[in-house]
Amino acid sequence: AQKITQTQPGMFVQEKEAVTLDCTYDTSDPSYGLFWYKQPSSGEMIFLIYQGSYDQQNATEGRYSLNFQKARKSANLVISASQLGDSAMYFCAMRDSTGGGNKLTFGTGTQLKVEL
Amino acid sequence: DTGVSQDPRHKITKRGQNVTFRCDPISEHNRLYWYRQTLGQGPEFLTYFQNEAQLEKSRLLSDRFSAERPKGSFSTLEIQRTEQGDSAMYLCASSPTGTGVAEQYFGPGTRLTVT
Repeated sequence: AQKITQTQPGMFVQEKEAVTLDCTYDTSDPSYGLFWYKQPSSGEMIFLIYQGSYDQQNATEGRYSLNFQKARKSANLVISASQLGDSAMYFCAMRDSTGGGNKLTFGTGTQLKVEL
Repeated sequence: DTGVSQDPRHKITKRGQNVTFRCDPISEHNRLYWYRQTLGQGPEFLTYFQNEAQLEKSRLLSDRFSAERPKGSFSTLEIQRTEQGDSAMYLCASSPTGTGVAEQYFGPGTRLTVT
């Protein structure tokens, strides 16, 4: 069974600083995908970034980058130049392709608070 | 097309009543997923459809839950004889078929409160 672990229930960062949100995973599948989603207080899950298990380079999307360390089974999200609007819940997720459905297994999330 | 929509956004019901939620996916997406999210937790997978076929159901989906996707477009999730433990956010997501990223696009969710 796949498992995602996020050990930081809450994080604080000052505006314009960088912050790293931790994510470790466990799977026996050699091919997998890792996602990060942002969930503001409004409730909608917003896709941020994706990393495939065979990707040679770490994924980047604007201010978001993924620090992928395959041997350590970690996929940490780095947000650079934090903004007040980044305050939200952040979830790491893994795609489970068994059965062909690509369903997602989520971690418990990290609540990020950006301060002035 | 503006994304995945869900209706209603909030539902309060009394224990024992039946409720039905609707999800309209992004029009060109043939995969549709339902998740449930309780307070302080990440979303948990309930079921998914490819077109009109329901191809996988989680063990979380008890006999009181049923989902349909007639004609492969919108989907409904019905909960019969609601219990207080059913109180949660019900999220719908859609994605295209195929390899690659195929990220799931989520709707705003339906928040269910069972009193």
